Amino acid sequence: DAGVIQSPRHEVTEMGQEVTLRCKPISGHDYLFWYRQTMMRGLELLIYFNNNVPIDDSGMPEDRFSAKMPNASFSTLKIQPSEPRDSAVYFCASSRRQGVNTEAFFGQGTRLTVV
Amino acid sequence: DQQVKQNSPSLSVQEGRISILNCDYTNSMFDYFLWYKKYPAEGPTFLISISSIKDKNEDGRFTVFLNKSAKHLSLHIVPSQPGDSAVYFCAASAGNFNKFYFGSGTKLNVKP
Repeated sequence: DAGVIQSPRHEVTEMGQEVTLRCKPISGHDYLFWYRQTMMRGLELLIYFNNNVPIDDSGMPEDRFSAKMPNASFSTLKIQPSEPRDSAVYFCASSRRQGVNTEAFFGQGTRLTVV
Repeated sequence: DQQVKQNSPSLSVQEGRISILNCDYTNSMFDYFLWYKKYPAEGPTFLISISSIKDKNEDGRFTVFLNKSAKHLSLHIVPSQPGDSAVYFCAASAGNFNKFYFGSGTKLNVKP
């Protein structure tokens, strides 16, 4: 398997613009997570899905952030409008169904810079 | 408020010596703990985990220790190798194994 695939790897955008990050989870994984990595807070969980349904979005910072999972093989994280403080590395991860010894597999991340 | 804390942002160790990375947590409901390793420009990769029913788990050069009373876990790497140089994240979950709380990471540098 190719692993979790994220695109783009890097994104530079101007403040106020819409940004869309994309993720393809590992085939057969039921859970999909969006994380954000910053120097101050480390890895923060933004939202996660189970079988394409959002389960917990309590980590989404503001209404400017939204995430969708239209099918089992694709998810998007959208920021509209973007602000400089959104600059971070965004990771998508997926895992099998809940159970002992479950770990999440991460993509390579999207480095977002909002200028 | 961070429920998982890694208070040492960086650690430098000589090759061949032991590396000890520490992690503290505040939520007594956490019952599953993991360590991830991250190289620059890559995503974190799973390294080792431990359930709260154990106090030690070993995998080759990597051992994780859990002290539930102190709400503390540590990762020992023996012997340390230059290829171990990376950022290490500790993570924890409660009941629902799929919602993980991560620490801020510790950057390990193993000097040749």
